[in-house]
Amino acid sequence: DIVVTQTPLSSPVTLGQPASISCRSSQSLVHRDGNTYLSWLHLRPGQPPRLLIDKISNRFSGVPDRFSGSGAGTDFTLKISRVEAEDVGVYYCMQGKQLPWTFGQGTKVEIK
Amino acid sequence: EVQLVESGGDLVQPGGSLRLSCAASDFTFTAYWMTWVRQAPGKGLEWVATIDYDGSATYYADSVKGRFTISRDNAKNSVFLQMNSLRAEDTAVYYCGRVVPGAGDYWGQGSLVTVSS
Repeated sequence: DIVVTQTPLSSPVTLGQPASISCRSSQSLVHRDGNTYLSWLHLRPGQPPRLLIDKISNRFSGVPDRFSGSGAGTDFTLKISRVEAEDVGVYYCMQGKQLPWTFGQGTKVEIK
Repeated sequence: EVQLVESGGDLVQPGGSLRLSCAASDFTFTAYWMTWVRQAPGKGLEWVATIDYDGSATYYADSVKGRFTISRDNAKNSVFLQMNSLRAEDTAVYYCGRVVPGAGDYWGQGSLVTVSS
């Protein structure tokens, strides 16, 4: 199985300030079809998981442009340019290159 | 707007069985694979099972293989998770999701399964 490691596990941020989460996989996430299947999900208590970004940097429908994804191969980053109150919760990176899908440990973003 | 609504979660004793359902609407159900992931209390996300367009191919996490069965009824736009021989470690919120290449793009609100005596 592909192991996915996220850092940090907790990220206290000030409203309006940037936040960054890193994700590293134990092997390249480049699929034989040429795509790199790394996605980011946001979970808030009582709400369904929300896809933010797939294929490293493709923002999903309705996701604000303050969210951006970058990276290649085995190293990836999610950035929030200016954190808003609604951004609190836990963020997960996920590899979808092969089954079993595997997730990072999650990063809890909270407001200072 | 795509909707996925899970149901069937409950309190069940160890060794018992439960069937989760996920009703899908507002998209062409037969055009998508479907999946289940879970989140145990205080833990992260864990992929559980995935099914292809017509149910001819199914895939399972090692932790549930032989105990859980994913299925779908395309006439009813629904996907199911039959869970047998339940263990305490199966206690979790179970989410059903719509699969796109390499990701799940829409997810339900979740259904809580508690395995306890």
